[in-house]
Amino acid sequence: ILNVEQSPQSLHVQEGDSTNFTCSFPSSNFYALHWYRWETAKSPEALFVMTLNGDEKKKGRISATLNTKEGYSYLYIKGSQPEDSATYLCALISYNTDKLIFGTGTRLQVFP
Amino acid sequence: ETGVTQSPTHLIKTRGQQVTLRCSSQSGHNTVSWYQQALGQGPQFIFQYYREEENGRGNFPPRFSGLQFPNYSSELNVNALELDDSALYLCASSPDQGSYGYTFGSGTRLTVV
Repeated sequence: ILNVEQSPQSLHVQEGDSTNFTCSFPSSNFYALHWYRWETAKSPEALFVMTLNGDEKKKGRISATLNTKEGYSYLYIKGSQPEDSATYLCALISYNTDKLIFGTGTRLQVFP
Repeated sequence: ETGVTQSPTHLIKTRGQQVTLRCSSQSGHNTVSWYQQALGQGPQFIFQYYREEENGRGNFPPRFSGLQFPNYSSELNVNALELDDSALYLCASSPDQGSYGYTFGSGTRLTVV
């Protein structure tokens, strides 16, 4: 069973701070890792789809790295803004099942 | 049509009843997946349809069933509702099987009393 863990569970930062959180998994038996941002009362929004060891993605102030050998992915937010407040979910798609397996998410709150 | 639309947004049902949740996917999105999110947990995979056929199922009992239609709409049916079925149900679609990410709806909040 592919188990996806995210840490921390929640995070409170001041506007302008940079922050990062972790998605970890025990196996490399997957072919894609997804990051989603989920704002309250909205739909989860795809941020990145990562497929290769050493893969790095960047969208504005947000970037992500993937290390399949060590079993983790980091999501970085540079200069956090209040509009970055959301739950950030990572999910894997395994070779066996072709389904998204989600972690429980990191809830980020950015205070002005 | 862009985006994924789910209906209804909220629903209250009584234990033992049956419910149908609906999802309208983006045109051209051949894959649709349904997820259940209970409080404090990440979304849990229920099942996935590709071109109107089920092609993956999570650890949910047979009373959870689904359909996908040629017009990119789909349904999630739950029979014999139990209190533990109270959750947010999310629908997500993709043009293929997820290589480019999924587009999610905003969910249906089901409360079973």
